[in-house]
Amino acid sequence: NAGVMQNPRHLVRRRGQEARLRCSPMKGHSHVYWYRQLPEEGLKFMVYLQKENIIDESGMPKERFSAEFPKEGPSILRIQQVVRGDSAAYFCASSPITLAGVHEQFFGPGTRLTVL
Amino acid sequence: SQKIEQNSEALNIQEGKTATLTCNYTNYSPAYLQWYRQDPGRGPVFLLLIRENEKEKRKERLKVTFDTTLKQSLFHITASQPADSATYLCALDRQTGANNLFFGTGTRLTVIP
Repeated sequence: NAGVMQNPRHLVRRRGQEARLRCSPMKGHSHVYWYRQLPEEGLKFMVYLQKENIIDESGMPKERFSAEFPKEGPSILRIQQVVRGDSAAYFCASSPITLAGVHEQFFGPGTRLTVL
Repeated sequence: SQKIEQNSEALNIQEGKTATLTCNYTNYSPAYLQWYRQDPGRGPVFLLLIRENEKEKRKERLKVTFDTTLKQSLFHITASQPADSATYLCALDRQTGANNLFFGTGTRLTVIP
């Protein structure tokens, strides 16, 4: 069972371009979470999605950022008109649905976005 | 919103000693608390989960305690090894849905041979 996959691993964009980050959760997992991490800082929650639904986007900037988790295919975090301050590592995590209701999150290797 | 404080950004200890990392939270009491390990350039890896009705959890050389009165969790690594050197993150439930977590900034542990 492959782990959480993220691609690309490294992404370089110029200011004003769009960045698309993809995340394939572990097989059987239907919850996806996106985090942003700046150097020497902790993980900042951005958005929590289930298939075709955004459950909690309270950590995501209101402008330029959007996320989706379609019925088929990976989850996508999209950043429009990138600025230098968007440079960071973006991590995706997934977890399963269980009756117990509580599970650890399984993290991908991250996408390192650099905005020139 | 929840505020999490993890003791000192960096902790250095001698190999073989017990490392103790602290996680304090200030607002609501979480239903559970998790600890993760993160190595440079990699995603976090889950270590232990402890629920609010549990005082202590163990896994091999790891031990976690959870004191809801003090609003604190302690994470211990006994007989520490250089391979334990990493950043350790404390995470609490966000109370907004199953498994949704709020992470601390982490403590960077260095075990000196």
